[in-house]
Amino acid sequence: GAVVSQHPSWVICKSGTSVKIECRSLDFQATTMFWYRQFPKQSLMLMATSNEGSKATYEQGVEKDKFLINHASLTLSTLTVTSAHPEDSSFYICSVTGQGPMIIAKNIQYFGAGTRLSVL
Amino acid sequence: DAKTTQPTSMDCAEGRAANLPCNHSTISGNEYVYWYRQIHSQGPQYIIHGLKNNETNEMASLIITEDRKSSTLILPHATLRDTAVYYCIVRVASEQFYFGTGTSLTVIP
Repeated sequence: GAVVSQHPSWVICKSGTSVKIECRSLDFQATTMFWYRQFPKQSLMLMATSNEGSKATYEQGVEKDKFLINHASLTLSTLTVTSAHPEDSSFYICSVTGQGPMIIAKNIQYFGAGTRLSVL
Repeated sequence: DAKTTQPTSMDCAEGRAANLPCNHSTISGNEYVYWYRQIHSQGPQYIIHGLKNNETNEMASLIITEDRKSSTLILPHATLRDTAVYYCIVRVASEQFYFGTGTSLTVIP
């Protein structure tokens, strides 16, 4: 099936530093990419939606300047957590909709494996 | 906001069918029902989706009631590897996903 690669899988950083997370569609072209955050024992919360070459659309309550999203190509989106603090520690997951022979249906979201961020 | 209601948790004996219900009483005519599952500390995995008709694939079957107000995901022969949180999501095809709390399924040996 369609493969979404997310990197890194785990990152530890000091408070005040910035962390970049990459999300790539490996065998298909991405139409739209989504970023989610998941705290322990909770469900996934949608943070933002991004299309290649345009600004991301953020969900209510998500700080645009805190969580920078860059969707520079048809296969790559990045999420940068700026000036990270311990409360930003969470599991960040990207998903992708796209087109290509590996895609079952164009509106199915394919998820990456997630990135666990720990801010000390 | 999630538009679905699912039981918080369920158990199923290994080898038996797991039937996971989902209520979506406010579903509109152009909204699909999607099922995903999330194994601990991994990203969600697509299982199946449907609009009106029942659907079956290599992983599961999806039974949607005639009034479309509820559905059931069936794993025909549950294995220990099916232990996961199962999410039922209702949305128009072009919209974002909003996840509810899901059902935590435990397959018991």
